[in-house]
Amino acid sequence: NAGVMQNPRHLVRRRGQEARLRCSPMKGHSHVYWYRQLPEEGLKFMVYLQKENIIDESGMPKERFSAEFPKEGPSILRIQQVVRGDSAAYFCASSPGVSNSPLHFGNGTRLTVT
Amino acid sequence: QQQVKQSPQSLIVQKGGISIINCAYENTAFDYFPWYQQFPGKGPALLIAIRPDVSEKKEGRFTISFNKSAKQFSLHIMDSQPGDSATYFCAASWGAQKLVFGQGTRLTINP
Repeated sequence: NAGVMQNPRHLVRRRGQEARLRCSPMKGHSHVYWYRQLPEEGLKFMVYLQKENIIDESGMPKERFSAEFPKEGPSILRIQQVVRGDSAAYFCASSPGVSNSPLHFGNGTRLTVT
Repeated sequence: QQQVKQSPQSLIVQKGGISIINCAYENTAFDYFPWYQQFPGKGPALLIAIRPDVSEKKEGRFTISFNKSAKQFSLHIMDSQPGDSATYFCAASWGAQKLVFGQGTRLTINP
């Protein structure tokens, strides 16, 4: 867990504001995944990125949500005009991208929308 | 087709007992089945994983049993300890990417 760094750990936003969640993958990992976890529920896939490319965004809501993983710097999950239903824990995972290599998760960002 | 169904939702086991958590999947393309352990306030941590070419994998007190024909797999925790109290998630994927998770089982080990 310690290898994947997510910040902030806790984020409070008012309805209508923007939330930016950052994820630095483990050293040597070029693939990043974002998952959302609602209270008492499992993790739901949102998006899969490689450096500068979105590979699979089938789990991302069509509006207000976007993700990027630039050549330099962390991956960013951006939520515009947050609503109360966006309150959740957002987890980032990384892998080296080699087939059948396991995903390593960070400790998450807990977003609360007031 | 993409779902992984996990049961039970919660489980209480006495210290020293065997904890058993079950999962079922539908997509026969899945070829990687990990179990993750999550403590409160932490991210999921990989516990043990299995591929469909074997029926059982054991690591210490943790064993995965896999039934390909029934499309089911389970986690057994032998000699369960209070430190095992956590939420456990099964998952499935093809090529170990884009994991599909079960709903989770909250395990409590009573001392």
